[in-house]
Amino acid sequence: DQQVKQNSPSLSVQEGRISILNCDYTNSMFDYFLWYKKYPAEGPTFLISISSIKDKNEDGRFTVFLNKSAKHLSLHIVPSQPGDSAVYFCAASRDSGGSNYKLTFGKGTLLTVNP
Amino acid sequence: GAGVSQSPRYKVAKRGQDVALRCDPISGHVSLFWYQQALGQGPEFLTYFQNEAQLDKSGLPSDRFFAERPEGSVSTLKIQRTQQEDSAVYLCASSFGGLREKLFFGSGTQLSVL
Repeated sequence: DQQVKQNSPSLSVQEGRISILNCDYTNSMFDYFLWYKKYPAEGPTFLISISSIKDKNEDGRFTVFLNKSAKHLSLHIVPSQPGDSAVYFCAASRDSGGSNYKLTFGKGTLLTVNP
Repeated sequence: GAGVSQSPRYKVAKRGQDVALRCDPISGHVSLFWYQQALGQGPEFLTYFQNEAQLDKSGLPSDRFFAERPEGSVSTLKIQRTQQEDSAVYLCASSFGGLREKLFFGSGTQLSVL
């Protein structure tokens, strides 16, 4: 059973437009969320994170929104650039319970930004 | 080194063969993690080391999987009697203090079991 779901395997957007990547989770114990970006033949790299005490976190062109009641988060990239083309993974963890080091990942969404 | 280094980059094994995958974390990083990424899936947690101590091995799929980090630096993930379902990319990650956002991943070892 997937505790972190990314239901869109792929997304294609035009350069300069907004990219919105979605993620849903089922485990209500998750209280810390991260997005990772992965280029082919490379390991994932950290992009942005959000704690459950917030509903929004922004870092440059990247903003993550968290809706706890809906158990949903989204990553917005504005404006999208061709270099953003990669697989984006949503990940979740529990801040409490002694296992905050353990990340549960979704399957990823392949973002393609067309020039 | 500049980043987390994993070797070999690719490994082809015959079913039943033993394999050893190596991870060189970033110098000074206390925490080391192994994740398994099957085709079309996200990475899945295997095990966690703090220095030489293996604090969590709950994600190891079976007793055929064994990980060690004897001197608190380089780590080896060993898989005995490999099976086809072991085919995956094995990712190693390290961090200074276990903070999730400061987790640095290697490029992984792609294991194919024939």
